[in-house]
This record gives sequence, C-alpha cells and structure tokens, in this order.
Amino acid sequence: QQQVKQSPQSLIVQKGGIPIINCAYENTAFDYFPWYQQFPGKGPALLIAIRPDVSEKKEGRFTISFNKSAKQFSLHIMDSQPGDSATYFCAASISGGGSNYKLTFGKGTLLTVNP
Amino acid sequence: KAGVTQTPRYLIKTRGQQVTLSCSPISGHRSVSWYQQTPGQGLQFLFEYFSETQRNKGNFPGRFSGRQFSNSRSEMNVSTLELGDSALYLCASSLGDRREQYFGPGTRLTVT
Repeated sequence: QQQVKQSPQSLIVQKGGIPIINCAYENTAFDYFPWYQQFPGKGPALLIAIRPDVSEKKEGRFTISFNKSAKQFSLHIMDSQPGDSATYFCAASISGGGSNYKLTFGKGTLLTVNP
Repeated sequence: KAGVTQTPRYLIKTRGQQVTLSCSPISGHRSVSWYQQTPGQGLQFLFEYFSETQRNKGNFPGRFSGRQFSNSRSEMNVSTLELGDSALYLCASSLGDRREQYFGPGTRLTVT
C-alpha cells in the first residue's frame, strides 16, 4: 500500500519556468511533510518542510502548498535553473517517539530544467 | 559542522555473506535512522535508534539489524545476503527533539 503518491514521475521545464510536483497522502495521522532533493550519487538533502496547520511555506525559491482537506501538498520551484535538475521526493511522518523519524516517501520526480 | 558520514561508500558482496555498514551522525545528533533506496521500491525506512534503543522498525526481514553506540554512531548489519539486497543504504541523523532529518551520502551495496 503506497501511502504517499507522488506525480509526475518526470518533468521537463525551461529555465525560468515553475515546475510543480504534487503529492497525495492517505493516512490522516501524518503531521509532518518534508521535501528532499537528491542529485546522482548523493544522499537526499532536506529542502523545506511543512506541518498541516499551515497552508503555505516559502524558503527562497521553494514553496510548499498544503491542502489538508484534500490530503494533498505540492512543491513549486520559482525561477527554476539548470542546477535544480535533480530528483525530488516528498515524504510524511507521524509524531510520537520514533515515529517522528519514520519517513514514508513518495516514488520521486525526476526534474530536468533545460537552459 | 561536518555532515553525516557513511562507510564504506561502495561494497560488493556475494550472496549468502553478511555485511556491516557504519554511520556517524552530525555532532550532537542523537537519533539515527536507516533507509534502503532501490529503483523499484524507492526509499524505505529500515529502523531508527535513539540513545542506543531501537524505537521504530520498518517492514524488513530479521536479516536486517542495527545498533547504536553511546557516541550515537550506528551500524546496520545484513546477514545471508540476497541479490535483492543490492541497494543504496542511507543513514539520516536528527537532533532527537526536532523532526528534521539529514542524510548521509549512502553506501552502495552490490550483491553478486
């Protein structure tokens, strides 16, 4: 059972475009939603995270939008650059002891930003 | 501050052997989690340790085990390796009182 569904699987945009990656979750107990960026040969790097009491969060060019009633959240990358080309993962976890750190990941989105 | 370090970075083992992977968390971080990353299954949670205690475990067979030492360094062990265990094994550390997890570069395990 895939608890976090991520789409699209791959995405190609032109430099300056705004790629949008979407995730949907099933478990309403999830209360922490981070996004990670992974380059080939590297571990995932934490980009930005949101909790369900907030509808939007911005950090630099990265914005998370959160829709609690729809159980969906999305990542927007403003003014995308070729250096943003990477695989992006959404994730979710439940609060409480060790569950805080049991991340359930989406399958990932391979983003390509063309110059 | 140095990031999460994992050793070795690459490993080739034969089916039936066992392997031990090591993770040193960011200084001051007390929680260490392990994940398996494969093209087919994606990123899957293995287990999490805090103050030398396993607090949570994912849906992996008992061949996968781990431990944490008093200095927060952690090891994971896979016994009786199978071809399907070929994967990137990632370690992530956290302060323990905050949700943010920071990943290491991973150990690429190939089972032949």
